[in-house]
Amino acid sequence: GAGVSQSPSNKVTEKGKDVELRCDPISGHTALYWYRQSLGQGLEFLIYFQGNSAPDKSGLPSDRFSAERTGGSVSTLTIQRTQQEDSAVYLCASSRDGVGEQYFGPGTRLTVT
Amino acid sequence: QQPVQSPQAVILREGEDAVINCSSSKALYSVHWYRQKHGEAPVFLMILLKGGEQKGHEKISASFNEKKQQSSLYLTASQLSYSGTYFCGTDSGGYQKVTFGTGTKLQVIP
Repeated sequence: GAGVSQSPSNKVTEKGKDVELRCDPISGHTALYWYRQSLGQGLEFLIYFQGNSAPDKSGLPSDRFSAERTGGSVSTLTIQRTQQEDSAVYLCASSRDGVGEQYFGPGTRLTVT
Repeated sequence: QQPVQSPQAVILREGEDAVINCSSSKALYSVHWYRQKHGEAPVFLMILLKGGEQKGHEKISASFNEKKQQSSLYLTASQLSYSGTYFCGTDSGGYQKVTFGTGTKLQVIP
């Protein structure tokens, strides 16, 4: 079956612009995660959606970052007024129930110039 | 809090064994292990749950000491394909988020 998909795969933007990153999780998965990975670094947690519960936003680095998940499926991560330090690979993952295996998407490589 | 992994990096020759450790300062419900190859997304290896249940690939073995809040991943008879960065992730149950460690870079050489 189809895995987790993300779009765009690459995004180059100018400092100060807003960007939207999209994640399509595996159908039926109730849990969805966003992570950020800078070059050669670990997986930095950003936000977690689980079913109809309020999202865990504790990893969002600033109020320029926000995310939503519509209809319990597709999620969009929005970064406003992008800064150079926002450059990274943004990974999305979904899991069936929030306690098991996470399936990662291919990521979106964001470059802020 | 982020779990701590050790070692940070290791180089093995094919056929050698390695152990990667993961420890947390919080009580854990589960420990997850993933491997990420360069330029690719992380791939699930194993999950170990409180109470002893394990799910994962047959060729991978790991342990979970609930009292010590530690887990170890055992890589035996390493192959070149084992190269990559290994991440452990931990959660404290109740459908809480999984927090990943900083990773262990493993390189297997001929």
